[in-house]
Amino acid sequence: AQSVTQLDSQVPVFEEAPVELRCNYSSSVSVYLFWYVQYPNQGLQLLLKYLSGSTLVESINGFEAEFNKSQTSFHLRKPSVHISDTAEYFCAVRESTGGGNKLTFGTGTQLKVEL
Amino acid sequence: GAVVSQHPSRVICKSGTSVKIECRSLDFQATTMFWYRQFPKQSLMLMATSNEGSKATYEQGVEKDKFLINHASLTLSTLTVTSAHPEDSSFYICSARAVRTVLNEQFFGPGTRLTVL
Repeated sequence: AQSVTQLDSQVPVFEEAPVELRCNYSSSVSVYLFWYVQYPNQGLQLLLKYLSGSTLVESINGFEAEFNKSQTSFHLRKPSVHISDTAEYFCAVRESTGGGNKLTFGTGTQLKVEL
Repeated sequence: GAVVSQHPSRVICKSGTSVKIECRSLDFQATTMFWYRQFPKQSLMLMATSNEGSKATYEQGVEKDKFLINHASLTLSTLTVTSAHPEDSSFYICSARAVRTVLNEQFFGPGTRLTVL
């Protein structure tokens, strides 16, 4: 079984400041890692994912996340946030072997970007 | 590509009535669809997994007689909340996994807000 911990329920930050949203996971098997973003009253959109290869993955809108196996972390970062980044961010894991489909989500982090 | 729609986006109903929510994969065939429930300010909780043409697999604690899931085709799954009560009010989100997707990626619908009065 896997579990995901997002320690920060809310992260307020000023526009153009950097931000890091933390995600730690626990699993007895290899996993794929995902970050999803949810805007108010909308479903989830995949922001980025780590499957294999380079441990640093990037999204098209400036976010990046680094897979750290030794620390079992997959923190999400952005060097300069924008008002439009205000949303709920969910970290998720899924087994990478055995054909498993089940995504396990963290409790989410509300990013609030202020002027 | 990989668009998933849900209908309706919002529904308000009286206690005791049944509500059907549709989940469609618009531009791909989905062998598997998932139904999640999200309470305010909480994470998504998987309710059930449905495979086309077979019975859904429900997560522990989810009443299968209350949350009826039908996956009649490769592009459509429905969730029916039977005899809805106020505690069933929630945000219901479906996701779909494409046929022959190597990495089993799920694509999420925009969600349905159910309010039971």
